[in-house]
Amino acid sequence: GNSVTQMEGPVTLSEEAFLTINCTYTATGYPSLFWYVQYPGEGLQLLLKATKADDKGSNKGFEATYRKETTSFHLEKGSVQVSDSAVYFCALSPSGSARQLTFGSGTQLTVLP
Amino acid sequence: DAMVIQNPRYQVTQFGKPVTLSCSQTLNHNVMYWYQQKSSQAPKLLFHYYDKDFNNEADTPDNFQSRRPNTSFCFLDIRSPGLGDAAMYLCATSRALGGRNQPQHFGDGTRLSIL
Repeated sequence: GNSVTQMEGPVTLSEEAFLTINCTYTATGYPSLFWYVQYPGEGLQLLLKATKADDKGSNKGFEATYRKETTSFHLEKGSVQVSDSAVYFCALSPSGSARQLTFGSGTQLTVLP
Repeated sequence: DAMVIQNPRYQVTQFGKPVTLSCSQTLNHNVMYWYQQKSSQAPKLLFHYYDKDFNNEADTPDNFQSRRPNTSFCFLDIRSPGLGDAAMYLCATSRALGGRNQPQHFGDGTRLSIL
């Protein structure tokens, strides 16, 4: 079956530090890959996506590249801000007609001023 | 702005007393989902509607039901809430185009407490 493995949290960084949150997946075919962010007390917001190998998704300074050869979709940001503190979920949607999202377990990020 | 709206944001009910959570959307998406999210966990899909077709996850308890009277609205009914059903319930929508799913858009959730 499909699965997503995310870097264990929590992650605590100082403002302006470099961020990497690792994500690897198991799926057949060519899934679409997503990063969602959840701020305290809110629902999930789509942060970025990639739908095919070597695609790079980017938004708000965050980037992730769909690596088919390593089945990875690591999230990176060059300089984090306090406002980036949230829980980040990596997710995949299988290719074909399936509509389910498979989520990773989430990584809590805290950025200190 | 087009969005997914969940009401109420916070719901308190008594053990065993039926409760209904609501979700509406202005995105005109044909797929609507209900997720359960417990503290510090990933969202867990309960069921989804593809247009009017209901799709239940195999491990969703019978206690959870859903209705979708039209494209814009979807309801989650919990017939006899137990203490273990206390959680955040998230509604999401997406547009399915020719088998390739577009990203899901989430509401802010309803946090359900059971007394």
